[in-house]
Amino acid sequence: EDKVVQSPLSLVVHEGDTVTLNCSYEVTNFRSLLWYKQEKKAPTFLFMLTSSGIEKKSGRLSSILDKKELFSILNITATQTGDSAVYLCAVESGGSNYKLTFGKGTLLTVNP
Amino acid sequence: DAGVTQSPTHLIKTRGQQVTLRCSPKSGHDTVSWYQQALGQGPQFIFQYYEEEERQRGNFPDRFSGHQYPNYSSELNVNALLLGDSALYLCASSLRFRGLIFGPGTRLTVL
Repeated sequence: EDKVVQSPLSLVVHEGDTVTLNCSYEVTNFRSLLWYKQEKKAPTFLFMLTSSGIEKKSGRLSSILDKKELFSILNITATQTGDSAVYLCAVESGGSNYKLTFGKGTLLTVNP
Repeated sequence: DAGVTQSPTHLIKTRGQQVTLRCSPKSGHDTVSWYQQALGQGPQFIFQYYEEEERQRGNFPDRFSGHQYPNYSSELNVNALLLGDSALYLCASSLRFRGLIFGPGTRLTVL
């Protein structure tokens, strides 16, 4: 059975801090790893990673994948209160059809 | 473009009842996937519809069933509701199977 584990499950930081969120996985037929941000309802897409060692960046957020060690990290620098959310890691797998397996998420709270 | 839309937004049912949730995919998308997200958990894959057929199914009982219409919209039906079915139900659409866009979800409460 496909498995995605995120750590920590929750994190409280102050504005300006840098945070690192972790995601490890065990899946068959790995296709890609995705990060989502969920504030209230719908998860919103952040990154899709398919190759090891290539960092994806978007503003203060960045992510990297290690396919040998089967994990990914999501970094957020200079955190702001608007970064407070649940960050979900998901792995896309499957043969002819694809599905996403999600971790439980990391609840990030950024205090002013 | 309205993106993915879901209805209703919230729903309250009692144990044993049946419920139908609806989803309209983003324009141009042909695949709909349904996920259940319990409080404090990540979304769990229920099933996926493409060309009006169920293509994949997660580890959910037969009480959970679905349908996809020719216009690509989809329904999720849950029979004999249990307290444990209380969750946020997310619909996601995509073109073929990749690039999921999530809808805002339907919050189901079972009393």
